[in-house]
Amino acid sequence: EAQVTQNPRYLITVTGKKLTVTCSQNMNHEYMSWYRQDPGLGLRQIYYSMNVEVTDKGDVPEGYKVSRKEKRNFPLILESPSPNQTSLYFCASSFSGSGANVLTFGAGSRLTVL
Amino acid sequence: GQQLNQSPQSMFIQEGEDVSMNCTSSSIFNTWLWYKQDPGEGPVLLIALYKAGELTSNGRLTAQFGITRKDSFLNISASIPSDVGIYFCAGSHTDKLIFGTGTRLQVFP
Repeated sequence: EAQVTQNPRYLITVTGKKLTVTCSQNMNHEYMSWYRQDPGLGLRQIYYSMNVEVTDKGDVPEGYKVSRKEKRNFPLILESPSPNQTSLYFCASSFSGSGANVLTFGAGSRLTVL
Repeated sequence: GQQLNQSPQSMFIQEGEDVSMNCTSSSIFNTWLWYKQDPGEGPVLLIALYKAGELTSNGRLTAQFGITRKDSFLNISASIPSDVGIYFCAGSHTDKLIFGTGTRLQVFP
């Protein structure tokens, strides 16, 4: 089944404890992206990647890192999480980075930082 | 970053009623997309619009690409309980896809 898989789905952590949210897609998509969803703010882009070894900042990149060493994987790294990073995170992918291309989303990762 | 104005923010309706929501932007877009997010899931594409004035249906859902290219509308006819969720519009001009703030829909039997 074609899908985007995120792990973990739920995580509670404490301020400053580094964590990684993994994202993997099995559709051979070139484009991958991370979003955070907060009440009243919709989906805001954190980072995106047009292809392997190519990553760029989205609208809210502060406090996050990403890497794209392989086409299928695009992990989101929080080096020193803070409470304002408590949010619902989505990974998404598409064939290319064209805005007209349809994104396939993962099921989401709900992160709570205490 | 830029965001789209989506309204209403939330809707509480009775099963069988029709629903309308819209999205407006200060910028011109070449593509409008409508996604639905079921509770506990990621957004899934409902309808894609690629041409100004385009009217497209998907079952009980109908969406339109505004003539000015700065707005889009989504209508749901004869709502059912499984229509519950958050509906997002998204627009793009070049490679940038921008999402609306979402409309939360609740349907009561």
